[in-house]
This record gives sequence, structure tokens and C-alpha cells, in this order.
Amino acid sequence: EIVLTQSPATLSLSPGERATLSCRASQSVNIYLAWYQQKPGQVPRLLIYDASYRATGIPARFSGSGSGTDFNLTISSLEPDDFAVYYCQHRANWPLYTFGQGTKLDIK
Amino acid sequence: EVQLVQSGAEVKKPGESLKISCQASGYSFSTYWIGWVRQMPGKGLEWMGIIYPGDSDTRYSPSFQGQVTISADISTDTAFLHWTSLKASDTAIYYCATPYRSSVGLDYWGQGTLVTVSS
Repeated sequence: EIVLTQSPATLSLSPGERATLSCRASQSVNIYLAWYQQKPGQVPRLLIYDASYRATGIPARFSGSGSGTDFNLTISSLEPDDFAVYYCQHRANWPLYTFGQGTKLDIK
Repeated sequence: EVQLVQSGAEVKKPGESLKISCQASGYSFSTYWIGWVRQMPGKGLEWMGIIYPGDSDTRYSPSFQGQVTISADISTDTAFLHWTSLKASDTAIYYCATPYRSSVGLDYWGQGTLVTVSS
């Protein structure tokens, strides 16, 4: 089973700063990786699929990169609405999926 | 417009059975996989399993194999998650979700069903 490890567990930044969240796979997942945002009390929202493609309606400040085992989600300039928990997820063993444990993005 | 509408919150006792639902609309239900995700209180997302309604091909995450049953009814465009004997540790929010545009990302989600199991 492929395990996804996200780092850091918590990231404290200020609005306007750049955020880089990491997701590492225990073995290659090719580009079969997605990122989600979840705010308290809300449903997860797909941000990025296939490692680097933004989902419909996602602002351009969100970008994804990587392939194989190392991936990043970058938020170029944080807005107050971006403080949330972010999860990576792979579907390398289609049609089964696995989520990372999440990174909490906190306001500093 | 694609929509997934889940059944309402449930409060059950340990040992009871439960079936929750997820009704799809706005797309061809039988031709897209639909899955279930658990979120225990204050915790992260856990993938449970997925079904292809067209032929009922069902796959489970190893952690949930034998613990729940996933099914679908194409006559009502509804997916189900079923427990025969609930435990207190089943207390969680359960989401249905579908990889509609891309097989990698789950782009449509239900609103979640809170299941509380308590004596």
C-alpha cells in the first residue's frame, strides 16, 4: 500500500506570504495526485488533479507540481480565506484512493 | 449540474444496523464510479471504498473490507453505505464523492452524513 506523508503538519504564515505544502509518496504515483482544501465544518474541495491541473473555479494563486514521489502545493500569495486544512490524495491503485494526513495552514 | 445529496444525520446504539444514502443527479450515474470517505471527529479523510453502479464492481480499502458494504441502485441513482453492527468507533461524518472529470480527483462531494453511535 502506498503511503502519503504530508509536511509540515502545521504551517503558520501571514496573509500575502507564499505557502508551500509538501506531499511525499512511499513509492511512485506517477502524476496521479490530487490536492484538497477543507475548512472547518465544510466539505472538502478539489483544488488540483493530475498533480498540476487546477480544478474548475480554483484561483490561479493555487498551483501544484511534482511527479513520482515528491509533490508540492503552492499558494503564491495567501488570502484570509486560504487558511484551512489541505490534503493530498493519490489513485495509483485505481480505483482505490489514499489520502495524506493533512497540513493545517494557520494564520500567524 | 452534478449534485450528490446525502441522507440526514443518524444516532444509533452499538450493535444496530444502518444504511445511509447518496442520491446523484445531473449526470449518468451508472457510468461513473462513486466512493465513500470517512472523517472521524477532529481527524483527517479516510478512503473507504468505491463502486461502479453500472455493473456493481465494488472495491474496498483494506481498512474497511468486511466492516461496511457499499452498494448502488441505478433505478434511483443512489449509492449506499451499510453497517450490520455499528460500533462507537464508527462515529464520524461520511461523505460520498465521485471522480467525475478526472479519475484522479474527487470533484463532486455530498454534503456529508453525521453518524453518531452511542449507548
